[in-house]
Amino acid sequence: DAKTTQPTSMDCAEGRAANLPCNHSTISGNEYVYWYRQIHSQGPQYIIHGLKNNETNEMASLIITEDRKSSTLILPHATLRDTAVYYCIVRLSGGGADGLTFGKGTHLIIQP
Amino acid sequence: ETGVTQSPTHLIKTRGQQVTLRCSSQSGHNTVSWYQQALGQGPQFIFQYYREEENGRGNFPPRFSGLQFPNYSSELNVNALELDDSALYLCASSYFWGQGGEQYFGPGTRLTVT
Repeated sequence: DAKTTQPTSMDCAEGRAANLPCNHSTISGNEYVYWYRQIHSQGPQYIIHGLKNNETNEMASLIITEDRKSSTLILPHATLRDTAVYYCIVRLSGGGADGLTFGKGTHLIIQP
Repeated sequence: ETGVTQSPTHLIKTRGQQVTLRCSSQSGHNTVSWYQQALGQGPQFIFQYYREEENGRGNFPPRFSGLQFPNYSSELNVNALELDDSALYLCASSYFWGQGGEQYFGPGTRLTVT
């Protein structure tokens, strides 16, 4: 699986949009981009994933660049409860017998 | 719809002992994966079970073993516990995992080895 690079930490003001970047320059054409978050000592929470097109759900939007070498997770209206470690993960489509490879993620801190 | 559940929540064992952790997958999910998360690190993939057979494994020794039952619940067994086995153990379930689906995690079991 391709590796990802994320900033170690980010701050965002409550109520503003939080934009979390991820670089995955070695991604291949059949690898998905997944985003999970983990609030302290809890299990990771699935947020969103995509292959080529931008995706949106009730939690967030995922913007993938046209060359697929980077992506941005957008939390449209951040709240204090969004403070967590956010993991960007690249996973091979059809890789049915593998798990997720977590890096160190981005520690997002929402400021009141 | 019930999410992924794990038991126990916390556990303290002594080095050399054996431990069994349990996981109930989310309704309708047929694939279960286990992860180990040491303090300050991201989760690491241990292995995966599909249709009651292990079909994928990370870089963990054979003393880490598991089972999946017909109802898709699962157990993680660790023999000859070592101090470094102290960690949060996470279970995750999925349905279309091989076709780009999502994996949902339980709350974890905190294992402390003394």
